Amino acid sequence: AQSVTQPDIHITVSEGASLELRCNYSYGATPYLFWYVQSPGQGLQLLLKYFSGDTLVQGIKGFEAEFKRSQSSFNLRKPSVHWSDAAEYFCAGRENRGGSNYKLTFGKGTLLTVNP
Amino acid sequence: KAGVTQTPRYLIKTRGQQVTLSCSPISGHRSVSWYQQTPGQGLQFLFEYFSETQRNKGNFPGRFSGRQFSNSRSEMNVSTLELGDSALYLCASSFATGFAGELFFGEGSRLTVL
Repeated sequence: AQSVTQPDIHITVSEGASLELRCNYSYGATPYLFWYVQSPGQGLQLLLKYFSGDTLVQGIKGFEAEFKRSQSSFNLRKPSVHWSDAAEYFCAGRENRGGSNYKLTFGKGTLLTVNP
Repeated sequence: KAGVTQTPRYLIKTRGQQVTLSCSPISGHRSVSWYQQTPGQGLQFLFEYFSETQRNKGNFPGRFSGRQFSNSRSEMNVSTLELGDSALYLCASSFATGFAGELFFGEGSRLTVL
């Protein structure tokens, strides 16, 4: 079955430290992949997306993600975390096919805490 | 331009009642999707509407239903509420159907069932 897995439920980093959030996917073919962020009491905001091509994707707020087919991974990274990055992060995927009958599947999320 | 607007933001209901949630998408967006978010199950897809037609449906019982109007505004209804229906219900809009484009989420409607 198609799935997206985020192995880390909660991660704590110090402000200014680097960050990597893990995401693994299970699809028959390379899916479309997304990272969303949710701040407390807010909806989700798209950070970046991967459809095809360059495997290193740049997003908003200084985030980037690298698609690795051999590891079925799409990890999110940021070189230096700011206190405002504290939020919950969701990886999501959908089948890479034309048409409209393909739902977006979300991982369970990783809660990021940033220590001063 | 205005974002996705969901009303009401918070509501409390009792078991057996029914509830209707509303979602106004970004102007020009014709696709509206609904998700249920709970601590245990995470984000689960409910359904997607495009041009007043349901295009995709998740694995939820028939108590969960929705519709979309000609102005792209959407409503979802949950009948015979159960305690387990307590959740944050998120609406997302996009220009096209099928999640090929970016989803824009509203802030959600938090439903508590007592």
